Amino acid sequence: AQKITQTQPGMFVQEKEAVTLDCTYDTSDPSYGLFWYKQPSSGEMIFLIYQGSYDQQNATEGRYSLNFQKARKSANLVISASQLGDSAMYFCAMREDNQGAQKLVFGQGTRLTINP
Amino acid sequence: DVKVTQSSRYLVKRTGEKVFLECVQDMDHENMFWYRQDPGLGLRLIYFSYDVKMKEKGDIPEGYSVSREKKERFSLILESASTNQTSMYLCASSYRGRAGTEAFFGQGTRLTVV
Repeated sequence: AQKITQTQPGMFVQEKEAVTLDCTYDTSDPSYGLFWYKQPSSGEMIFLIYQGSYDQQNATEGRYSLNFQKARKSANLVISASQLGDSAMYFCAMREDNQGAQKLVFGQGTRLTINP
Repeated sequence: DVKVTQSSRYLVKRTGEKVFLECVQDMDHENMFWYRQDPGLGLRLIYFSYDVKMKEKGDIPEGYSVSREKKERFSLILESASTNQTSMYLCASSYRGRAGTEAFFGQGTRLTVV
């Protein structure tokens, strides 16, 4: 069965510092995708970044990058130059890509607080 | 714009009632999902569907059922609501078979069972 683990319930970071949010996963499927979402206090789920299991390069989207270490089954999110608006819940998710059902499961989340 | 719409933002129901949560998407997505979100537990998958009339159990299906009669609509049913089903419920949809296509979420339904 798929499993996603986020071990940091909360993180506190000074504005303008870089922050790394941890995510480890477990799957027996060779083809899968990893996602990060942001959930601000308003409750909406905002897609941030995607990494495919066969991608050779780490994904980047603006200030977000994904540190993908396949052998260690980790997919950490790195936010560079943090801003006050980055304060939110962050969720890591995994989807297995197969011919039938595509299950999408999430981790427990990390609450990130950016201090001025 | 992609839109996933949940029928209610807030809902209060009595214990033992049958409750229907509706979700509609307008992007012709094959996959649809129902999650519940509780503090400290993240999003837990209740049921998902990859085609009309197809459904798969997620990690916490007990006490719930689903219906997908049309591609755009995915309903979550609480057969007999209980207080431990008080939670935020999130619906999502995505394309099937396209690696990298993210899921889009509805605004959530906060259900309180009294």
